[in-house]
Amino acid sequence: ETGVTQTPRHLVMGMTNKKSLKCEQHLGHNAMYWYKQSAKKPLELMFVYNFKEQTENNSVPSRFSPECPNSSHLFLHLHTLQPEDSALYLCASSYKFRDSPLHFGNGTRLTVT
Amino acid sequence: GDSVTQMEGPVTLSEEAFLTINCTYTATGYPSLFWYVQYPGEGLQLLLKATKADDKGSNKGFEATYRKETTSFHLEKGSVQVSDSAVYFCALSADSGNTPLVFGKGTRLSVIA
Repeated sequence: ETGVTQTPRHLVMGMTNKKSLKCEQHLGHNAMYWYKQSAKKPLELMFVYNFKEQTENNSVPSRFSPECPNSSHLFLHLHTLQPEDSALYLCASSYKFRDSPLHFGNGTRLTVT
Repeated sequence: GDSVTQMEGPVTLSEEAFLTINCTYTATGYPSLFWYVQYPGEGLQLLLKATKADDKGSNKGFEATYRKETTSFHLEKGSVQVSDSAVYFCALSADSGNTPLVFGKGTRLSVIA
């Protein structure tokens, strides 16, 4: 149990579908993150939320839409994805100070067909 | 900008061999340094950290020393086990604490019996 729970663990969707990834943490953290992990590529930071406010968007295409309704929950809404968006999507949380480590969920393995 | 460089993998070792995974960084000021590990099918988890020069982080038999003079944070273990097979990520947290962690590309370790 990592303290950060992601659902679903696996998702297969067509390019015209709309789906959402969910992340939940009960560690009392105030920052939440979405990362994309593709084969043979570095870990890519997508979005950062700090006290529910988005503080970082690393030039992510608009077909990815994050939502953070409170400090414990984070969503990633997906629509009209491309096959190259297939990857492992990792959620993480932390306290917002310099030495606070990230706590990751086990990820959602997304396949776009 | 800040960056982390890790040795390319994969690394394959026999059980009980000595492990070194090199990590060097570029950063202004005095960053904090981390090693994360990702076991198959899981998210990343913190392995160890060091927050100032000459600090040694250690956990589960792994060690890394923060060397400011060589801007390095090499991961070592004296005797690896099959269960240590995973991907290892070096990361830094900038001095200011206002930017997210910067990760290296990861090094895959395979330990064979």
